[in-house]
Amino acid sequence: TQLLEQSPQFLSIQEGENLTVYCNSSSVFSSLQWYRQEPGEGPVLLVTVVTGGEVKKLKRLTFQFGDARKDSSLHITAAQPGDTGLYLCAGLPIAGGTSYGKLTFGQGTILTVHP
Amino acid sequence: DAGVIQSPRHEVTEMGQEVTLRCKPISGHDYLFWYRQTMMRGLELLIYFNNNVPIDDSGMPEDRFSAKMPNASFSTLKIQPSEPRDSAVYFCASSLSRHEQYFGPGTRLTVT
Repeated sequence: TQLLEQSPQFLSIQEGENLTVYCNSSSVFSSLQWYRQEPGEGPVLLVTVVTGGEVKKLKRLTFQFGDARKDSSLHITAAQPGDTGLYLCAGLPIAGGTSYGKLTFGQGTILTVHP
Repeated sequence: DAGVIQSPRHEVTEMGQEVTLRCKPISGHDYLFWYRQTMMRGLELLIYFNNNVPIDDSGMPEDRFSAKMPNASFSTLKIQPSEPRDSAVYFCASSLSRHEQYFGPGTRLTVT
């Protein structure tokens, strides 16, 4: 069973601060996805990283996939109250077997940005 | 596209009753997933289908849970009989091949 350890579980910061969320595993993934979920809604995909070492930017959010494709990070610069939510990482296994197409989700990071 | 549609959005039922949750995936998507989310256990995959065929149901907690996908545009998750510990938010998601998953708004189930 592939596991994704996400940290920290909770993050409470002031508007304007920077933060990083980590997603680690001992397993190699085909790709890594990051989702954000707001209360009362389903998770919404933010980005997919596919290549080891890949860095993607989405406005103030920077996503990185580890060189070995076992870990990923999400960095938010100058956080705003609108960034508040649950952030989930999810790994897609290497093709083959019954895990094909099956995402492994981390436990999530609850981020609260205070004005 | 309307996105993934789930119904009902909220369901309150008494212990022992049958509960049926419904999902309409995004048109053209060939994978459909049922998840359960609780504070304690996070987001758990219950079962997923590929081209309407169940591929992996190892996450289904007990025989009380069953899921069907009679066609490419409809799936159900049934709990019979329901128990208080089944209270959770149930999400349906769909994807095209092994690409990104698109989640529905969820069904909040409360079993009293």
